[in-house]
Amino acid sequence: DSGVTQTPKHLITATGQRVTLRCSPRSGDLSVYWYQQSLDQGLQFLIQYYNGEERAKGNILERFSAQQFPDLHSELNLSSLELGDSALYFCASAGANSPLHFGNGTRLTVT
Amino acid sequence: DAKTTQPNSMESNEEEPVHLPCNHSTISGTDYIHWYRQLPSQGPEYVIHGLTSNVNNRMASLAIAEDRKSSTLILHRATLRDAAVYYCILRDVRGPTSGTYKYIFGTGTRLKVLA
Repeated sequence: DSGVTQTPKHLITATGQRVTLRCSPRSGDLSVYWYQQSLDQGLQFLIQYYNGEERAKGNILERFSAQQFPDLHSELNLSSLELGDSALYFCASAGANSPLHFGNGTRLTVT
Repeated sequence: DAKTTQPNSMESNEEEPVHLPCNHSTISGTDYIHWYRQLPSQGPEYVIHGLTSNVNNRMASLAIAEDRKSSTLILHRATLRDAAVYYCILRDVRGPTSGTYKYIFGTGTRLKVLA
């Protein structure tokens, strides 16, 4: 158990809809990272938050947004969903000098 | 961001050592070398990391070239449970209080372990 909790585990929705993925980091970790992994693809870095502030951005679409709350949990919002957004979305957390710890991901299916 | 290059796939026989290479010719002096692996249907997990010297832990060993432009992850005795995608990534060691570390994953090396 990595200590990182992601909910829900599975999500099925229709094109055009909006969904919210949730991540609770390991206790004490201030950084949260979001990644997207499409079928048989590598991990695409989306965005990083540190103690509530956005710190780094990757290939995140404008339809996607994220935030980290005062209790350090984070949410990834995906809107105007397209079929190509179907993927595994991973959240990871890290402390100042610790490696990344990943959750088990949310599998999003857009139909 | 400095990039890493890994072979797409490798095979190993069970109980034999496996050497997984990674090239990072544009590494900077402040980059740590991190290795993660992703088992089927799971999130990636941390394996090992190092800066300049070789490192050992219960999972693996990391051999870093003297010029730091390449590294090798060594699994001393591969088991079927080691079949996974292995990622080599670089993490800037600067700014421990800033919290700004980009972890850019490539496509990794898919390791197949043969019984």
